[in-house]
Amino acid sequence: GAVVSQHPSRVICKSGTSVKIECRSLDFQATTMFWYRQFPKKSLMLMATSNEGSKATYEQGVEKDKFLINHASLTLSTLTVTSAHPEDSSFYICSASAGVRIQETQYFGPGTRLLVL
Amino acid sequence: AQKITQTQPGMFVQEKEAVTLDCTYDTSDPSYGLFWYKQPSSGEMIFLIYQGSYDQQNATEGRYSLNFQKARKSANLVISASQLGDSAMYFCAMRASYNAGNNRKLIWGLGTSLAVNP
Repeated sequence: GAVVSQHPSRVICKSGTSVKIECRSLDFQATTMFWYRQFPKKSLMLMATSNEGSKATYEQGVEKDKFLINHASLTLSTLTVTSAHPEDSSFYICSASAGVRIQETQYFGPGTRLLVL
Repeated sequence: AQKITQTQPGMFVQEKEAVTLDCTYDTSDPSYGLFWYKQPSSGEMIFLIYQGSYDQQNATEGRYSLNFQKARKSANLVISASQLGDSAMYFCAMRASYNAGNNRKLIWGLGTSLAVNP
């Protein structure tokens, strides 16, 4: 299968600081990338969808000014958690897809565990 | 509304036995795809198998097979010859041809936790 990397794998930061998470498709061009948040023992919650070169589409209830998403190239998308607070602590995981056909598989990165103190 | 239902929060299976993880879906769209992912305790989501709504045969991928019953709107995952490394969360997901917007996002089930006993 296709490989998606995500960096960092773990990050601890102080409240009020910003954290950037990178998601890269290593062996394919990802026209679409997805950012999810997952709470312990829960399912994935889609935060936003980003298409290369255009603005991200955020899900209802997700603050676009707090979770900044940039999809600058076909292999890289970034999620920046601005002015992080303890309630932002979570597992963030990205996925990448080469297209939007029904059968197009989303390949996931290994995830980032964020802890805000 | 589109929905995925996984009714088994947790399942146990003996090593080397087969296990079936249930997934039912709801969509009015005739064209859709069903995916199964595995999430070990490390957190990564691993794609296992895909079934398209128009596929004539059930999908198979190694020890994984999908028992697709279109009339019942079910897409159960069958794992044969379970191994200790199969212990993980398993998620069923669906993508239909129509979703709000053009990104055809996946609709996810709540997952099933599988424990393989030695």
